[in-house]
Amino acid sequence: DVKVTQSSRYLVKRTGEKVFLECVQDMDHENMFWYRQDPGLGLRLIYFSYDVKMKEKGDIPEGYSVSREKKERFSLILESASTNQTSMYLCASRTGGATNTEAFFGQGTRLTVV
Amino acid sequence: GDSVTQMEGPVTLSEEAFLTINCTYTATGYPSLFWYVQYPGEGLQLLLKATKADDKGSNKGFEATYRKETTSFHLEKGSVQVSDSAVYFCALQNSGGSNYKLTFGKGTLLTVNP
Repeated sequence: DVKVTQSSRYLVKRTGEKVFLECVQDMDHENMFWYRQDPGLGLRLIYFSYDVKMKEKGDIPEGYSVSREKKERFSLILESASTNQTSMYLCASRTGGATNTEAFFGQGTRLTVV
Repeated sequence: GDSVTQMEGPVTLSEEAFLTINCTYTATGYPSLFWYVQYPGEGLQLLLKATKADDKGSNKGFEATYRKETTSFHLEKGSVQVSDSAVYFCALQNSGGSNYKLTFGKGTLLTVNP
């Protein structure tokens, strides 16, 4: 079974903390994505990576950074967590090079910043 | 830029009722179109897809047809079940150099009552 694994289902962090969300895929996919999901807003793209060490900003990158040192792992970093970053975070991966391939999603990390 | 608009929810139906969730898109070129489903407490998973005009995607009794002339990809099911209760997302995937970005609608919550 193909798998995208996010390191935590639930996290509670304090304002100002540096937070790391980890995502690992076992499908040798080139593309990886971080989204946040909020009620009424759907899924919004934070960052994506189309290959190792390559990254591009999505629609809402402010307050976030990412790291992709190995093909299977894509990390989302909240440099200084704030309460407006309380959300569900979803990681996804897919094969690169075509528009018709399926994206596979992790189960999500529900982050609460207090 | 690319965008997806889908009907606002929530949608509440009785078991065996007919379902339509409307989805329209704006995109340059020839995107691929997708419906993803998110069951409670889970990540998103692909429900169906279509990659060119007039293609029909189908899965688990759900269908959607890629209509380029109306830029639409409406989701339909003839007889819904309680187990279809979930959030449904319409999405498109376009090409642009190496950046195959997946753009989502805001999601439609479907509740099916026995």
